[in-house]
Amino acid sequence: GAVVSQHPSRVICKSGTSVKIECRSLDFQATTMFWYRQFPKQSLMLMATSNEGSKATYEQGVEKDKFLINHASLTLSTLTVTSAHPEDSSFYICSAREGKVTGELFFGEGSRLTVL
Amino acid sequence: QKEVEQDPGPLSVPEGAIVSLNCTYSNSAFQYFMWYRQYSRKGPELLMYTYSSGNKEDGRFTAQVDKSSKYISLFIRDSQPSDSATYLCAMSAHTDKLIFGTGTRLQVFP
Repeated sequence: GAVVSQHPSRVICKSGTSVKIECRSLDFQATTMFWYRQFPKQSLMLMATSNEGSKATYEQGVEKDKFLINHASLTLSTLTVTSAHPEDSSFYICSAREGKVTGELFFGEGSRLTVL
Repeated sequence: QKEVEQDPGPLSVPEGAIVSLNCTYSNSAFQYFMWYRQYSRKGPELLMYTYSSGNKEDGRFTAQVDKSSKYISLFIRDSQPSDSATYLCAMSAHTDKLIFGTGTRLQVFP
C-alpha cells in the first residue's frame, strides 16, 4: 500500500524554539494532507487541512501563526511549531490522500514532540 | 455531547475470543465509516472502510454500520495476541474531515 513518511519520529526541544516536522508521500501524489495532534489516551484531533499550492485551512482553536503549515509540492507538507512550549508536547500525525475525496487516507508514523 | 463516542477500554480477552468494538455517533450526515488500528507510538493504519449502512467482511474482521441507530461495530474473530492495539473508529460526511473516536485499547492474552 501507499506509504507516508514522517520525520523526525521523536524530537526534544527547549521552550521557545521552533520545530519542523516533515510529511512525505513516497509513492503517490498527495493533493491533500492533514495534520493531527494526539494527546495521551485521547483521540486524533484534526489541526489543519492543506492542499498543494494553497493556504492551509485550520480547525477552530488552532493558532495558524503558531502551527505553520506548508504544502509546497504534491509529495511534501511541513508543520512548524513556532515558539514551542511544554503544552505543545504531543504526538503529531500527518495523513495524505491521493485524488478523490473518498480516497483512502494513509497515515504517517507520527512525530513525538517533547518541549522542555 | 461528542460527535463520536467510543468506550476507551481497556478490553482484555483470551486468544481465540470474538471481540466486539463499538462506536456511536450523533451526526446523521456521516456516510463514510472507518476502523483504524494503532499500535503504541505508531500512526493509525486503516483496517476497514464502509460507505453507508451494511456489513463488510475482510478475513477475521467484520464491520457493521447501522445508520438508523447511529451505531457502528467492528468484530474480530479468532483474536490473536498480535491484534493487541488501540482501535479507532472514524467517520465523515461529505467533506475530507474525519472525526475520530477516542479509541478502544484491546489486549489479547495467550
